[in-house]
Amino acid sequence: KAGVTQTPRYLIKTRGQQVTLSCSPISGHRSVSWYQQTPGQGLQFLFEYFSETQRNKGNFPGRFSGRQFSNSRSEMNVSTLELGDSALYLCASERSPGGTEAFFGQGTRLTVV
Amino acid sequence: DQQVKQNSPSLSVQEGRISILNCDYTNSMFDYFLWYKKYPAEGPTFLISISSIKDKNEDGRFTVFLNKSAKHLSLHIVPSQPGDSAVYFCAASVRGSQGNLIFGKGTKLSVKP
Repeated sequence: KAGVTQTPRYLIKTRGQQVTLSCSPISGHRSVSWYQQTPGQGLQFLFEYFSETQRNKGNFPGRFSGRQFSNSRSEMNVSTLELGDSALYLCASERSPGGTEAFFGQGTRLTVV
Repeated sequence: DQQVKQNSPSLSVQEGRISILNCDYTNSMFDYFLWYKKYPAEGPTFLISISSIKDKNEDGRFTVFLNKSAKHLSLHIVPSQPGDSAVYFCAASVRGSQGNLIFGKGTKLSVKP
């Protein structure tokens, strides 16, 4: 059974650009959550999607957005990139929302220069 | 305000001995707790979890203890192995209502041969 797949693995962007990251959940999982990991702040929750609807959102500016497709794949977008957006972005999937069995992908390492 | 705290950034243990990783939380609504292990450049891997209705859960070398009155949980690894060297994250959730995980900042465990 394939795990959570995130693409791309690594990305370098310049300030002011925008970026889109992709996440394919485990087959049969319909809930997808996104987290940002930085050295100083640990893993911080960005947002959660279930059945193409955003259920929950963390404390991030509106430059961070996401969506989920009918096949449960999810994308997150960051517009007007800032240096502080450099981080490892992790996607987690579950069968349904509940925060009890989240499986993570390997993450996308975003570097903003 | 950090709702989940791992106060020890690092821990060093000799191979074969017990590793004890600690985690404190402040939100009494949390009813499910998880431990994840993370290697560099990889996503977190689920280790073990515990519901708030229990005070202990065991899986092989890993045991999680929950003390609800003290809002404290701990992960015991016995015996510790060099392959256990990684960053360990404690996470908590309110099942169903929110679904997202609140993570501590992690403890880096080093198991020396």
